[in-house]
Parts: sequence; C-alpha cells; structure tokens
Amino acid sequence: ELKVEQNPLFLSMQEGKNYTIYCNYSTTSDRLYWYRQDPGKSLESLFVLLSNGAVKQEGRLMASLDTKARLSTLHITAAVHDLSATYFCAVDRSQGNLIFGKGTKLSVKP
Amino acid sequence: NAGVTQTPKFRVLKTGQSMTLLCAQDMNHEYMYWYRQDPGMGLRLIHYSVGEGTTAKGEVPDGYNVSRLKKQNFLLGLESAAPSQTSVYFCASSWGGQGYNEQFFGPGTRLTVL
Repeated sequence: ELKVEQNPLFLSMQEGKNYTIYCNYSTTSDRLYWYRQDPGKSLESLFVLLSNGAVKQEGRLMASLDTKARLSTLHITAAVHDLSATYFCAVDRSQGNLIFGKGTKLSVKP
Repeated sequence: NAGVTQTPKFRVLKTGQSMTLLCAQDMNHEYMYWYRQDPGMGLRLIHYSVGEGTTAKGEVPDGYNVSRLKKQNFLLGLESAAPSQTSVYFCASSWGGQGYNEQFFGPGTRLTVL
C-alpha cells in the first residue's frame, strides 16, 4: 500500500530564513507532485517531478526528487509572507491515481 | 477558458437525502477525478475516469457513485447522504497517459450533511 508522509505538518518561519519540507513515500512511483493551497481555495500546481535527480525551481521554491530514497524535498529560500499557505506532495499510484500527504501548513512571519 | 468548474459551490443536506455534484472541464482532458478533503487531511481520491464512459474506484469510494457520459463532464452522486460525507469536494482533470499528467483542480464544493 502506497503511503505518503510529509514533515513537518506545521512550520512557522521568519521572513528571510530558509527551510525544507520533506515528503517520503513507501513504494516506487513514476511521478511526484507539489501543490499549494491557500485558505478556502483550490489547489495550485507547483511542480511535477518525473525522474531520479530531477530538480525544479520557481522563484523562492525549489523541489527535488530522489527515487532511490523515495524522498522529495521542497526548499524555501529567503521566505516571504506571500509564501504562507499549505503545501502538499502527492505521489502517482497509477493513471493519475494520486495519494496525497497530509500537507505542511507554512506560516511566514515578519 | 474556464478550466475546471464545479456546481454547486455550497450545499447543505439532511441525512438520507441525495444529490449530484457536477464537474465540467473545457480543456479536452481525457482523465477526470473526484477528491474529498477533510480538516487536517490531504485530499483523498473517491473515483476517477480515464475516458468517456469509464469510471474506476479510488481510495474512498463507498457511499458515492459517478458517471462520465460526456468527455467534458464528470458527475459525483450521493444516494443517501451521511454526516461522515460532510467535506469539501474537489474535481480535477488531466491529459492522462505518459509525461507530466498534471492535474488541474476546480474551486471546490463545500457540503454539509446534518
């Protein structure tokens, strides 16, 4: 059974600091996704990672994938308040059948 | 393009009542999905479809039925609503197949069952 674990579940950061969110999954998969959700809103796609060693960056966010370790990371550089949101990783079991982690609620404070 | 739309946005039901949630997409996507999101949980897949006329069970299918009679629409039905089905429901769609298969989500339907 595919399980996806994120940590931490809650993260309070100061502006300007760096931090990493971790996503571990229990069985092999072809695809890993990162999504952002603002309170009361829908999910916004951030990154899709397909292969071992894949690294993608957008602004202050960088995602990487290590399929051998079954680990993906979402690194935040020099956090700003606008990054406050809940971040989810999701792993594709097959045919887009995604298993989501419980999410990391990020709060960036001045 | 409207992307993925959901109807209704909010609904309150009494236990035992039935209802249908409608999802529509205008991106010509093959795959469509229904998820539920509960507080403190990630999204959980209810049912999905890999093409017109097909449906398959996801992680939490009990108490729900779906239909995909047209490629652009995916309906989620609750035949006899229970309080445990109080949740936010999200529909999503994607191209399917190999490659990124990125899912695009609708705005959600907030359902309360009393």
